[in-house]
Amino acid sequence: EAGVAQSPRYKIIEKRQSVAFWCNPISGHATLYWYQQILGQGPKLLIQFQNNGVVDDSQLPKDRFSAERLKGVDSTLKIQPAKLEDSAVYLCADGQGANTGELFFGEGSRLTVL
Amino acid sequence: SQQGEEDPQALSIQEGENATMNCSYKTSINNLQWYRQNSGRGLVHLILIRSNEREKHSGRLRVTLDTSKKSSSLLITASRAADTASYFCATDARGNNDMRFGAGTRLTVKP
Repeated sequence: EAGVAQSPRYKIIEKRQSVAFWCNPISGHATLYWYQQILGQGPKLLIQFQNNGVVDDSQLPKDRFSAERLKGVDSTLKIQPAKLEDSAVYLCADGQGANTGELFFGEGSRLTVL
Repeated sequence: SQQGEEDPQALSIQEGENATMNCSYKTSINNLQWYRQNSGRGLVHLILIRSNEREKHSGRLRVTLDTSKKSSSLLITASRAADTASYFCATDARGNNDMRFGAGTRLTVKP
């Protein structure tokens, strides 16, 4: 079974530019998550989808971050405009559904904002 | 906000020794999960323990959960150099499997 795919793996941009990350989850998995992991810290939940509806986006900085999950499958996370403090690894994860436990993570997209 | 907090932040042991990591959390939970992360990689699920369970085993891993103290521990027995990684606990703060992670314990196992 293919795992969670993310792209790009690495991205370097100037501050105030925009960037988009893409995630292709495991087929049939209903929930999808985006996490931000700053170096030396644990992952911080940005947004959780159940199919194509948002379950939790309480920690998403909505003035600059946006995410969508088209047709309940692939998802994109966009940052516009980027700030220096957005430098982090953006991790996509999915799961079989609410209350069913285990999350499957992609390898992450590392963003450096200069 | 982060839900879980791991202790210690870093742990260094010799191969063959046991490693114990602790996790404390703030609110009621449905389940608590432990994950492992090798440097530069994504997280890998290790074990899940539900709020009505007190102990769970998986190979060399043993997890305990004390809901009265809002704490959990992960024990790795007979550690190997390949166990070197960061270990995170995660809990579902709102009961929707909205897993929130602590800052992690960085484990180094010396050969």
